[in-house]
Amino acid sequence: DAGVIQSPRHEVTEMGQEVTLRCKPISGHDYLFWYRQTMMRGLELLIYFNNNVPIDDSGMPEDRFSAKMPNASFSTLKIQPSEPRDSAVYFCASRTDRINEKLFFGSGTQLSVL
Amino acid sequence: AQKVTQAQTEISVVEKEDVTLDCVYETRDTTYYLFWYKQPPSGELVFLIRRNSFDEQNEISGRYSWNFQKSTSSFNFTITASQVVDSAVYFCALGGGANSKLTFGKGITLSVRP
Repeated sequence: DAGVIQSPRHEVTEMGQEVTLRCKPISGHDYLFWYRQTMMRGLELLIYFNNNVPIDDSGMPEDRFSAKMPNASFSTLKIQPSEPRDSAVYFCASRTDRINEKLFFGSGTQLSVL
Repeated sequence: AQKVTQAQTEISVVEKEDVTLDCVYETRDTTYYLFWYKQPPSGELVFLIRRNSFDEQNEISGRYSWNFQKSTSSFNFTITASQVVDSAVYFCALGGGANSKLTFGKGITLSVRP
């Protein structure tokens, strides 16, 4: 099993540019989560999907952020336009539909917005 | 609302010392789940343990042990005879009820010096 795969590992961009982060969950997992990690705020849940449907996006900071899951094996998190305060590590995680099963995390994308 | 508090932010010990990482949680759910994750310097989040709210039996796994006490809403983690490889950020997390998402604490940075 390849685990949760995120790309890119590192992204450096300039303020105002569009950024797209990608995630491939573990095959057979029904839930997919996007988290953001910063020193100030720790690990914050941005949004999560169940069977490709967004369930809770209350953690999405503002309209500049959007997430999609067009199929069971792919999800994107887009920031447009990006701002320096978006700099963080973005993690994708997935799990099965068993009640409160553990999350499997990807390696994260380190985003730097200059 | 669910809340996880890890009051300790940074702990530094000398190798072979025992160290306990504290976790206090808040929830209105009668059934819930608690987790510990480890984030080594490489950045990935590694699952360590999950406990159900209806199972207060403490657990030992090698040098690791966990003390779950519902009366004090605590789920503490102890490393016995710490090693340099234990240096990492440790996160406590809470999930449960109708909520499929995990709420993480801010994390505790553990440094084990040789």
